[in-house]
Amino acid sequence: DQQVKQNSPSLSVQEGRISILNCDYTNSMFDYFLWYKKYPAEGPTFLISISSIKDKNEDGRFTVFLNKSAKHLSLHIVPSQPGDSAVYFCAASKAGNQFYFGTGTSLTVIP
Amino acid sequence: NAGVMQNPRHLVRRRGQEARLRCSPMKGHSHVYWYRQLPEEGLKFMVYLQKENIIDESGMPKERFSAEFPKEGPSILRIQQVVRGDSAAYFCASSPGTGFEAFFGQGTRLTVV
Repeated sequence: DQQVKQNSPSLSVQEGRISILNCDYTNSMFDYFLWYKKYPAEGPTFLISISSIKDKNEDGRFTVFLNKSAKHLSLHIVPSQPGDSAVYFCAASKAGNQFYFGTGTSLTVIP
Repeated sequence: NAGVMQNPRHLVRRRGQEARLRCSPMKGHSHVYWYRQLPEEGLKFMVYLQKENIIDESGMPKERFSAEFPKEGPSILRIQQVVRGDSAAYFCASSPGTGFEAFFGQGTRLTVV
């Protein structure tokens, strides 16, 4: 049972444009959401997180939006850079429990 | 402050042998998570441990797999009598507690031949 879903396996974006990565979840008890970036043969790197009490969190070029009623979150990267090309995983957790990961979206930023 | 350290980075085992994967969490982190990534798949939760306690092992196969996080020393993921299907990348992550992001190690790539 996949509680966190990333329905787009891949995304291509022109350099300088906005990248929008989407994630849906099914468990309304989740209260903490995260985005990770992963390069081949490396471990995931934490990017940005958001608590369920917020609907937006921004860190430089990265902004995460949370829509609790729709059980949806998204990661916006603007402007996109070629170095952003990687696989992006969203994750969710509820207090005191493990992190549930989506299946990832492979982002390619075209120079 | 060193990051999460996993060793070995690469491990080759013959079918039927045992594999031991080690994870040293970041300093000050008492929560450890193990995940497995099969080729072309996402990260699958295996087990969540705190010092000397298994909190959630709902993702662990019922047989041949075990994990521990002793009071002293690294967390160990142990796979007995490995089979080809165990070939995967195994990632460990640590966090200081609930409500905090988890930081991942570089992973151990297990190949069963």
